[in-house]
Amino acid sequence: KAGVTQTPRYLIKTRGQQVTLSCSPISGHRSVSWYQQTPGQGLQFLFEYFSETQRNKGNFPGRFSGRQFSNSRSEMNVSTLELGDSALYLCASAIAGTRTDTQYFGPGTRLTVL
Amino acid sequence: GIQVEQSPPDLILQEGANSTLRCNFSDSVNNLQWFHQNPWGQLINLFYIPSGTKQNGRLSATTVATERYSLLYISSSQTTDSGVYFCAVARRADKLIFGTGTRLQVFP
Repeated sequence: KAGVTQTPRYLIKTRGQQVTLSCSPISGHRSVSWYQQTPGQGLQFLFEYFSETQRNKGNFPGRFSGRQFSNSRSEMNVSTLELGDSALYLCASAIAGTRTDTQYFGPGTRLTVL
Repeated sequence: GIQVEQSPPDLILQEGANSTLRCNFSDSVNNLQWFHQNPWGQLINLFYIPSGTKQNGRLSATTVATERYSLLYISSSQTTDSGVYFCAVARRADKLIFGTGTRLQVFP
């Protein structure tokens, strides 16, 4: 089985722009979660989608949004980029996202905001 | 929310040495996972271990849920073990909360 894929792998944007990141989960997995990793804040949960519905949300401003498509692929969008949004964005997939599920992570998208 | 603390924050070893990484959490959890993040940023799931003991090759993990801690053992370490080890916990189907990690460097 192919693993979790994320595109693009690297991205450079300027303040005020918006960005869309994509995540394709492992085939058969219906849960997709997004995390932001920065040196200062560590790994923080952004949101989780299951069957096209947002099921869980972290403490991030409304500039961060996401969606999931019927094929379980997910996108996250960050509008009005700020310097502090520079981070590694990781996507994880799980079969159903229940408490017993193992999460499998993609390679990440490294976003730099100038 | 649940607090997750990992120790030590940094660990430097020579190849062949053994090590123990610790994860303390502040509340009962239903989900506990150990991850290894390689130098390129890829997070690899090592263990799903909300309780009990598991072994996978040179790695093993033990979680004592009643005392709210988990241990990851690495035996006969290799340079490829270098990276950051994270413990992550969750209650029910809630979001995973990650610890701050232990950065391991293994030198030949």
